[in-house]
Amino acid sequence: AQTVTQSQPEMSVQEAETVTLSCTYDTSESDYYLFWYKQPPSRQMILVIRQEAYKQQNATENRFSVNFQKAAKSFSLKISDSQLGDAAMYFCAYVTQGAQKLVFGQGTRLTINP
Amino acid sequence: EAGVVQSPRYKIIEKKQPVAFWCNPISGHNTLYWYLQNLGQGPELLIRYENEEAVDDSQLPKDRFSAERLKGVDSTLKIQPAELGDSAVYLCASSRGDRVPDTQYFGPGTRLTVL
Repeated sequence: AQTVTQSQPEMSVQEAETVTLSCTYDTSESDYYLFWYKQPPSRQMILVIRQEAYKQQNATENRFSVNFQKAAKSFSLKISDSQLGDAAMYFCAYVTQGAQKLVFGQGTRLTINP
Repeated sequence: EAGVVQSPRYKIIEKKQPVAFWCNPISGHNTLYWYLQNLGQGPELLIRYENEEAVDDSQLPKDRFSAERLKGVDSTLKIQPAELGDSAVYLCASSRGDRVPDTQYFGPGTRLTVL
């Protein structure tokens, strides 16, 4: 079965500090893409960052970066200089080359403490 | 550019009643998705459309759920009759449909409560 596991149901961090959200996945496919989505309390899901599995270089988008370990099937998200607006549910997801179906993890609720 | 629009945002119904959700995707997006999100869980795909064609409906409970995307733009998801276990958020997403993988853009969702 193709699954995504987020082992941290909740995380909290002080404003301006750095936090890392964990994600592991299981797929037999060799060609796939990984995503982190953010879902604020208004519930509109927003793409934060994506990573192509064939690329060794970790993706970076401003304060957001990933640590992609393909052999370990691990895809963690690091948020630097945390801001109050980062508070949300964060979902890890992947899609295989042959399918357009996003497979999501159960999410991590991130709280930012002022 | 307008985002994905969904209505209603909230719906409360009695069990065994029918309910319908509407989605208007981003202009020019050929692919449309309906996801089910149970409380505390990630979304799960119900159905995916490429233009008017339902290309993946393997997870849609066809005994009570139906969907349509007439003219390849707006889409409606219907439940008849609704059951208590259908209480969840129903998310619509769209993508351009011209690359793999597509970036999916999500709407705000419809929160359904079945009493």
